Amino acid sequence: DAGVIQSPRHEVTEMGQEVTLRCKPISGHNSLFWYRQTMMRGLELLIYFNNNVPIDDSGMPEDRFSAKMPNASFSTLKIQPSEPRDSAVYFCASSLALTRDWGYGYTFGSGTRLTVV
Amino acid sequence: DAKTTQPNSMESNEEEPVHLPCNHSTISGTDYIHWYRQLPSQGPEYVIHGLTSNVNNRMASLAIAEDRKSSTLILHRATLRDAAVYYCIHFNTDKLIFGTGTRLQVFP
Repeated sequence: DAGVIQSPRHEVTEMGQEVTLRCKPISGHNSLFWYRQTMMRGLELLIYFNNNVPIDDSGMPEDRFSAKMPNASFSTLKIQPSEPRDSAVYFCASSLALTRDWGYGYTFGSGTRLTVV
Repeated sequence: DAKTTQPNSMESNEEEPVHLPCNHSTISGTDYIHWYRQLPSQGPEYVIHGLTSNVNNRMASLAIAEDRKSSTLILHRATLRDAAVYYCIHFNTDKLIFGTGTRLQVFP
């Protein structure tokens, strides 16, 4: 298995532009999570899906952020318009089941480093 | 959200055992204890998890106190590749919430 695949690995964009981050979870996993990591705030959970349905988006910072999961093998996180304070590493993770006892845990992608100038 | 307390940083020499402590005094009876680690420039990776009994896998061992208010991640022989930030998490909901973790430095 190729693991969780995120694209692009790096993104540099100008303030005000739309940014779309992509994630392909592990085949068979039915839960998907988007995290953001910064030096100041550490790892923050933004939103998660179960069976392609958004379950909790309370971590999404504001209306400029949106996430979709149109099918079991693809998810996007969109920022429109982007701002310099959105600069961070964005991680996608997937899990086999949405239960407390995950024998396999979460599998994270390598992340997308976003820089907004 | 569930709260854990870990030292900010620890150091070890290569080939020596490392004991990474974690306090989780607010843990409830049904909360699992999970450990993840994040190597430089990578996403977090699952290390081990447990509920009440001590657990072993190929990466590490997890020792859970009898009252479950603390746990210790044990790396039996540290290598340079074990240098990472280690996160201890306990939760009983559907999502992992990360704290600040312990940055482990390993010296040759």
